[in-house]
Amino acid sequence: DIQMTQSPSVLSASVGDRVTLSCKASQNINKNLDWYQQKLGEAPKLLIYFTNNLQTGIPSRFSGSGSGTDYTLTISSLQPEDVATYFCFQYNSGYTFGAGTKLELK
Amino acid sequence: QVQLKESGPGLVQPSQTLSLTCTVAGFSLTSYNVHWVRQPPGKGLEWMGVIWNTGGTRYNSALKSRLSISKDTSKSQVFLKMNSLQTEDTATYYCASLHSSYMGYFDYWGQGVMVTVSS
Repeated sequence: DIQMTQSPSVLSASVGDRVTLSCKASQNINKNLDWYQQKLGEAPKLLIYFTNNLQTGIPSRFSGSGSGTDYTLTISSLQPEDVATYFCFQYNSGYTFGAGTKLELK
Repeated sequence: QVQLKESGPGLVQPSQTLSLTCTVAGFSLTSYNVHWVRQPPGKGLEWMGVIWNTGGTRYNSALKSRLSISKDTSKSQVFLKMNSLQTEDTATYYCASLHSSYMGYFDYWGQGVMVTVSS
């Protein structure tokens, strides 16, 4: 099974900061990776699909990049409403979620 | 309008079997897959398994011996059965229809159902 390692597990940042979240796969996943945002008490919400494609309606401050085993979610200017937990999800071989990065305001 | 809704018992006794139903609307189970994902309180998401539009299934290797997913296409329902429940199976269980590729996405989740395993 493919393992997905997210880092950091918790990230504290200030409004307006550029924030980078990392997701590393145990083997090449050929860009078959999505990013989800989950707020307390809600179902996960798709932000980015196939590594770098923004879902309809998602603010352009969110972006994704990566290839091979290493992937990144970037928020260009953190907003208060971005406080949430972020999960990566691979579907190249089977399906696996990362453990998540909890994003907090400093 | 695409919708998924989970239903089932909120409380299950240890060693018993969990049975959940996911009722979908706005799409056909002959065209799209349905996944089950769970989340223990305060923890991350765990992918459990999928039933594809073809009826084929794939399971998380850690749950494979206890888990079964099936569907009734005519009723637009997907079923999860998991046996030998323990307290660590306490979680919110989601059904979701997920499909992403370079061509686009189809991504819809149910609201989730909380299941507590306790005597």
